[in-house]
Amino acid sequence: QLVLTQSPSASASLGASVKLTCTLSSGHSSYAIAWHQQQPEKGPRYLMKLNSDGSHSKGDGIPDRFSGSSSGAERYLTISSLQSEDEADYYCQTWGTGSVVFGGGTKLTVL
Amino acid sequence: EVQLVESGGGLVKPGGSLRLSCAASGFTFSSYSMNWVRQAPGKGLEWVSSISSSSSYIYYADSVKGRFTISRDNAKNSLYLQMNSLRAEDTAVYYCARCRRGSGWLIDYWGQGTLVTVSS
Repeated sequence: QLVLTQSPSASASLGASVKLTCTLSSGHSSYAIAWHQQQPEKGPRYLMKLNSDGSHSKGDGIPDRFSGSSSGAERYLTISSLQSEDEADYYCQTWGTGSVVFGGGTKLTVL
Repeated sequence: EVQLVESGGGLVKPGGSLRLSCAASGFTFSSYSMNWVRQAPGKGLEWVSSISSSSSYIYYADSVKGRFTISRDNAKNSLYLQMNSLRAEDTAVYYCARCRRGSGWLIDYWGQGTLVTVSS
């Protein structure tokens, strides 16, 4: 079964960097994913597509501070030079045969 | 500029029906697969349904199968979700979302959402 696992919460200081993780279930380590950001009281926003080889393509207007990388079944979102507006929920998403799958989301707190 | 604007949400009693619409603009709607995704209050994102560009492929989450119907009208640049036999657990903000071309069912644009409340 295709499942995406995310830690429920993360925190980092203003100006620092943070790395969020999304883990694909066993047997699905070659899957590409997307990262989405949801700021408080707003709809989600697409950040990037992230492939298994670590290559990624960002959405329109996404700052260079956001980057992606991969290792095995892990997919990472790194945010550098954290700003207050980066405080948000971050979701990973992929798809299988006949279904779309979301991770449970990581709530990022900027200290 | 890609725009997805949902409408049709509101308050409905358990067992009732509602039809959501999504008006698309800023891209060639007929060339893209589309999705409905929902978010219950205080919860994460939950996929509801997907439809391919020509409606050849349609998929539903188990939680809505048999009760919800996704459809599209490419001439009107519109996506729809007919929701029947609504339950309290269907209460959520419903988002219309576009799939990135050439990337399976990966989502690359979202609407602002419409709230559906199922309550007596």
